[in-house]
Amino acid sequence: SQQGEEDPQALSIQEGENATMNCSYKTSINNLQWYRQNSGRGLVHLILIRSNEREKHSGRLRVTLDTSKKSSSLLITASRAADTASYFCAPGSYNTDKLIFGTGTRLQVFP
Amino acid sequence: ETGVTQTPRHLVMGMTNKKSLKCEQHLGHNAMYWYKQSAKKPLELMFVYSLEERVENNSVPSRFSPECPNSSHLFLHLHTLQPEDSALYLCASSQDWLGAKNIQYFGAGTRLSVL
Repeated sequence: SQQGEEDPQALSIQEGENATMNCSYKTSINNLQWYRQNSGRGLVHLILIRSNEREKHSGRLRVTLDTSKKSSSLLITASRAADTASYFCAPGSYNTDKLIFGTGTRLQVFP
Repeated sequence: ETGVTQTPRHLVMGMTNKKSLKCEQHLGHNAMYWYKQSAKKPLELMFVYSLEERVENNSVPSRFSPECPNSSHLFLHLHTLQPEDSALYLCASSQDWLGAKNIQYFGAGTRLSVL
């Protein structure tokens, strides 16, 4: 199992702006998931991207994956105050048995 | 509502108390997990159960004792805890225990304070 490393650790933006956060990992993966956690709550799955996919969309979310650079990015377009949360990536391999979460990116969106 | 319910949401206990955290999932999943989340630290996986059998125990102190009576319920029994055990305890479930293939569904957590 491997841990994803999110960057930056914290990000503050105004409502309406786009937010980009990045994830790097060390070894080959079969997929990568992104999760969101509102303060003091559980994590919520946002999106899963497979290693043979380069980009995936879900509403205002856009995830990219570059396996050659071992990195992924999560873009939130037209951010809202309700997007304020911590965001975690979790790289996954079929030959491992668990997801490892990092410390996340804390996003603050100001109204 | 994720389909995973944790009770209680908040718990304050003394170091000599015994208490239990409960997790219930209504998703028909086969695997359940306990995580510990402390401030500014990565989420720590504590235990994994698959079909009621413990398949992962990440060097967790014996003062934490998990129990999985069936695939829908998971408990974490607590006794003689230390103040550093204060944290958010999260329960999650997935279709099966090969977590890398599966999406995990989390409960809202139990905020535990040990005095």
